[in-house]
Amino acid sequence: AQSVTQLDSQVPVFEEAPVELRCNYSSSVSVYLFWYVQYPNQGLQLLLKYLSGSTLVKGINGFEAEFNKSQTSFHLRKPSVHISDTAEYFCAVSRGVEISSGSARQLTFGSGTQLTVLP
Amino acid sequence: GAVVSQHPSWVICKSGTSVKIECRSLDFQATTMFWYRQFPKQSLMLMATSNEGSKATYEQGVEKDKFLINHASLTLSTLTVTSAHPEDSSFYICSARDQRPSTDTQYFGPGTRLTVL
Repeated sequence: AQSVTQLDSQVPVFEEAPVELRCNYSSSVSVYLFWYVQYPNQGLQLLLKYLSGSTLVKGINGFEAEFNKSQTSFHLRKPSVHISDTAEYFCAVSRGVEISSGSARQLTFGSGTQLTVLP
Repeated sequence: GAVVSQHPSWVICKSGTSVKIECRSLDFQATTMFWYRQFPKQSLMLMATSNEGSKATYEQGVEKDKFLINHASLTLSTLTVTSAHPEDSSFYICSARDQRPSTDTQYFGPGTRLTVL
């Protein structure tokens, strides 16, 4: 089974400052990794994902994340945040190898990090 | 990215009634869809995996007779909350799996806010 830990439940940061949202995972098998963003009263929007290949992944809205296998981490970064980045961010993991059709790439989510960008 | 819709976006109903929520993948076929429940300021809790043409797989602790799932086509899954009670009030979110090798990603609907009075 997989698990995901988001170490920071809340991250306040001033506008135009850099930000890093931390995510660590545990799994006995290879994994796929995802970051989703959720704005109030909305569903989740995919920011970026790591399936294979380059460990540095670039996503939408200027976000990027780096997969670090040795540290089992997938931290999300943005060099300069905007007020509009204020939202809840979820890190998620799924099995990289499908055992059966029933496993169907189920996602395990972290508890979420509320990013608040201050003017 | 791919688009997943949910309908309705919000619903208010009386205790004891049943409510149906639809989840549609608009620009891809999804043999697998997922239903989640989210409480305020909490993460998503997977309720069930919906497979086209077969029975849904429910997570431990989720009553299958309470939350009926039907995945009748490759673009539509429905969740029916039967005999809803106030404790069923929550934000329900679906996702659809785009299985094409180039992506293999879940795309989420906008969610449905259910309030049971």
